[in-house]
Amino acid sequence: SSELTQDPTVSVALGQTVRITCQGDSLRSYSATWYQQKPGQAPLLVFYGKNNRPSGIPDRFSGSSSGNTASLTITGAQAEDEADYYCNSRDSSGNHWVFGGGTKLTVL
Amino acid sequence: QVQLQQWGAGLLKPSETLSLTCAVYGGSFSGYSWSWIRQPPGRGLEWIGEINHSGSADYNPSLKSRVTILVDTSKNQFSLKLSSVTAADTAVYYCARGSSVLVGYFHYYMDVWGKGTTVTVSS
Repeated sequence: SSELTQDPTVSVALGQTVRITCQGDSLRSYSATWYQQKPGQAPLLVFYGKNNRPSGIPDRFSGSSSGNTASLTITGAQAEDEADYYCNSRDSSGNHWVFGGGTKLTVL
Repeated sequence: QVQLQQWGAGLLKPSETLSLTCAVYGGSFSGYSWSWIRQPPGRGLEWIGEINHSGSADYNPSLKSRVTILVDTSKNQFSLKLSSVTAADTAVYYCARGSSVLVGYFHYYMDVWGKGTTVTVSS
């Protein structure tokens, strides 16, 4: 399968913890990567691999996976975390990339 | 600090060919994959295709018949051509670098992105 499924919208109260999920058959073979996108900006890599955050990404962003589901967790969400979040991975063949449909995170 | 600078025509008529170029500054061109991704207005990201430094390319099956991605290693550039465009091809087009890290097995990610080019197809 070449599809990754995400919940379209998720909300979290300021300072609370939120989990954004991504499901797909390809995640049984390949790890998910997570991107944050704010309006008018290019996507920004926030988490990849088993436990990797690029330089400059706060440690409140973490990732996990189990079976065909990957998760991005924001522990202590801040107002600046309000954005669209996309997962992606190689597809099951390994030859192509595939993106999830995106999750719009609202911080209340 | 690797940077991607992209450019190309922003307004096309139906049936024309979209042409974009992405230049890589401040880093090696080899050892990575180089992708094009697009995002229609108000919608999600769609991978178009990728190429490596040796010129081997792969494409999204849904676009394969219309897409060509080429590389010019002498200039550290790669390009996208999308033929026979329609209004459905209106989108922001991004170029991005694909990287990998071996921790048990390979983990793949896109760590550097261009700023995006808005392409509008309208008669």
